[in-house]
Amino acid sequence: DIQMTQSPVSLSGSLEEIVTITCKASQGIDDYLSWYQQKPGKSPQLLIYDATSLADGVPSRFSGSRSGTQYSLKISRPQVDDSGIYYCLQSYSTTWTFGGGTKLELK
Amino acid sequence: EVQLQESGPGLVKPSQSLSLTCSVTGYSITSTYWGWIRKFPGNKMEWMGYISYSASTSYNPSLKSRISITRDTSKNQFFLQLNSVTTEDTATYYCARWGGFFDYWGQGVMVTVSS
Repeated sequence: DIQMTQSPVSLSGSLEEIVTITCKASQGIDDYLSWYQQKPGKSPQLLIYDATSLADGVPSRFSGSRSGTQYSLKISRPQVDDSGIYYCLQSYSTTWTFGGGTKLELK
Repeated sequence: EVQLQESGPGLVKPSQSLSLTCSVTGYSITSTYWGWIRKFPGNKMEWMGYISYSASTSYNPSLKSRISITRDTSKNQFFLQLNSVTTEDTATYYCARWGGFFDYWGQGVMVTVSS
């Protein structure tokens, strides 16, 4: 199976910073990578697909990028409402795998 | 609008089978792919499997022969059955639509495996 190592596990951010969450794939996944946000008590919501494409209705402060086998989700000037748990998902291999999740807390 | 809703028992005894239904409105399950995902206590997420528009299936090998995903096109529903459950199958179970990414999700159903 392809392992997705997500970091950090948790993050406390400031509203003035750029928040970056990364997922490193154990092998190449050809940008078959999506990002999801989950707020407490809610189902996950798609943010980014194909590594860099912004999903419909998602604010432009969210962006995705890739460097080698490391994929990043960036939140520019995060809002308090962006607090939640973020996951990456690779769908390149026949067994799809999620990253371990990043809990983001913004105050 | 596409909507998905999971239903099923919230409590299952060890060694029994877990059976869940995902009811879809606003989109035909004979189009695209439909998946099951679960989230364990502690936040780990696991893709369990999917059923395609043509009823072909793909499963996570970690679930071995315990899992089955089927559908009823007349009701626009698809189903999850997980056999021989243990306490480690305690999780929140989600169904979702796949079109290269999971773009629509159900609200989730919490299932506890306990005697």
